[in-house]
Amino acid sequence: AQKITQTQPGMFVQEKEAVTLDCTYDTSDPSYGLFWYKQPSSGEMIFLIYQGSYDQQNATEGRYSLNFQKARKSANLVISASQLGDSAMYFCAMREGTPQKLVFGQGTRLTINP
Amino acid sequence: DGGITQSPKYLFRKEGQNVTLSCEQNLNHDAMYWYRQDPGQGLRLIYYSQIVNDFQKGDIAEGYSVSREKKESFPLTVTSAQKNPTAFYLCASSNQRGTEAFFGQGTRLTVV
Repeated sequence: AQKITQTQPGMFVQEKEAVTLDCTYDTSDPSYGLFWYKQPSSGEMIFLIYQGSYDQQNATEGRYSLNFQKARKSANLVISASQLGDSAMYFCAMREGTPQKLVFGQGTRLTINP
Repeated sequence: DGGITQSPKYLFRKEGQNVTLSCEQNLNHDAMYWYRQDPGQGLRLIYYSQIVNDFQKGDIAEGYSVSREKKESFPLTVTSAQKNPTAFYLCASSNQRGTEAFFGQGTRLTVV
């Protein structure tokens, strides 16, 4: 069964608009963490934001915020005021278990239009 | 500067040969991971390790082998048993609490 599901293969957004990238996860581990990464065409994986399962508040990092809805097992990434440089693949990932295992979704390709 | 170093950046292999991809980190992270990424696809977990001399198979371990003799190093060997090894390989590491996880720059392996 898929542990991390990203249902949007591609998204097109106008520059300066906000964008929400969806991510749902499946785990029975009470302690887990959720990550978002950006992968530009160069291939590097850039860490964006982290949310722990026990964190009471939604994580924020600059223009990035994570909309964490624990009961719905949802961890959507919100990018405010999108920029042309935000065009890239975006991956949601979950860390769970002992030893730690880090698994990824299939990704969403975001394209920002001028 | 702390980080994760993967080498080489590009690697060409003849069919039937084993090759080893290097991954070194100086972040003092406990856990290390290897992933394979095919064009337009997500990251698939090959092997992972949380402590020295211990590692676990991921979802696609067949045809690959690893070792973890030092905390800083987690080399991946792509063996001749791997039927379709051409791919982009990414190494990552994470801290003990699992609250941060960073990647190396990746190795592009091509079988010629």
